[in-house]
Amino acid sequence: DQQVKQNSPSLSVQEGRISILNCDYTNSMFDYFLWYKKYPAEGPTFLISISSIKDKNEDGRFTVFLNKSAKHLSLHIVPSQPGDSAVYFCAALRSGSARQLTFGSGTQLTVLP
Amino acid sequence: DAGVIQSPRHEVTEMGQEVTLRCKPISGHDYLFWYRQTMMRGLELLIYFNNNVPIDDSGMPEDRFSAKMPNASFSTLKIQPSEPRDSAVYFCASCGTGYLTEAFFGQGTRLTVV
Repeated sequence: DQQVKQNSPSLSVQEGRISILNCDYTNSMFDYFLWYKKYPAEGPTFLISISSIKDKNEDGRFTVFLNKSAKHLSLHIVPSQPGDSAVYFCAALRSGSARQLTFGSGTQLTVLP
Repeated sequence: DAGVIQSPRHEVTEMGQEVTLRCKPISGHDYLFWYRQTMMRGLELLIYFNNNVPIDDSGMPEDRFSAKMPNASFSTLKIQPSEPRDSAVYFCASCGTGYLTEAFFGQGTRLTVV
């Protein structure tokens, strides 16, 4: 049973436009959410996070939105750049003693020049 | 710090052979995680350690998989005997004890079992 789901395996966007990557979760105990970015032949790198006490967190071109009632979060990239082409993983964490991140299956974003 | 270091980067082995993957976490981090990435399941947590002690190994797929952390700067993931379905990219990650700090990943080991 996947507790974190990314239902779109791939997304293509034109350069300069907005990229929206979506993520759903089922475990209501999750209270911290992260997005990781992964290039081929590299490990995932942390991109941005949000605590469940917030509904939005912004960092430059990247904004993460959290809708707790819908158990949904999204990552917006504006404007999208070709260098943003990568696999994006959504991850969730239950704060406290448990530290393991539960990841979604990833979305391959391709930004077309 | 050089980050999380994994070796080897690539491993090709024959079915039935023993495979050992290695990881050096970031100095000062006391959580270490082993993940496996496959097309079907994405990133799966296999096992994680806190202060060198295994905390949760419920993700380890079978008894053929074992992991150790003999000290704070080294961990191994062993598969014995290996099978073709073990082919995947295996990642090691570490994080500190700060509240809700993110995990830092190594570059991964691409394992191919033929």
